[in-house]
Amino acid sequence: DTGVSQDPRHKITKRGQNVTFRCDPISEHNRLYWYRQTLGQGPEFLTYFQNEAQLEKSRLLSDRFSAERPKGSFSTLEIQRTEQGDSAMYLCASTQGIGLNTEAFFGQGTRLTVV
Amino acid sequence: TQLLEQSPQFLSIQEGENLTVYCNSSSVFSSLQWYRQEPGEGPVLLVTVVTGGEVKKLKRLTFQFGDARKDSSLHITAAQPGDTGLYLCAAESGTYKYIFGTGTRLKVLA
Repeated sequence: DTGVSQDPRHKITKRGQNVTFRCDPISEHNRLYWYRQTLGQGPEFLTYFQNEAQLEKSRLLSDRFSAERPKGSFSTLEIQRTEQGDSAMYLCASTQGIGLNTEAFFGQGTRLTVV
Repeated sequence: TQLLEQSPQFLSIQEGENLTVYCNSSSVFSSLQWYRQEPGEGPVLLVTVVTGGEVKKLKRLTFQFGDARKDSSLHITAAQPGDTGLYLCAAESGTYKYIFGTGTRLKVLA
């Protein structure tokens, strides 16, 4: 396992369509995060899981967004009825352990363009 | 709403110059991290600072955590084109919830 992988890397979709992204974390990591990032800005927290439990969701995550991590391994992020404002890079990260020096390992992201 | 404000937002400098990037918050954090992100890639951790007043050095990069643990700075000495990227501070806001700063985009010209 060489790191966090995300699929697809790029997605172009028409407004109103549904899209689903996948994230495979580092295998022994129990926490998984989703972030959204627009060009030149810092990543915005969307949600995170500890094992299969979704522990927190940002209010940025409208009811059109849903994330799952059914077996505590890979995760999916679905956006229903996409809007142009959803265009962004969606980043996944995974971590493990506790304490002050926890490092988040990021995937390369999925760039979504809604046309 | 981001709780971590970074300044400047953009910085374009010549190779060999020095620069400082700031990360400020009204909140106190138990630790703070700095990441660098290159185009098309996810952020990569540079350093974690945990003690108020702590200074850490990573080659030409010097990181400092404010005494009150509300702010941090990143100083780069003799910048090189390879330092070009988006610099992000990050901290834990709530249990295991990591938030990121607004980012500083650095471009170092050869």
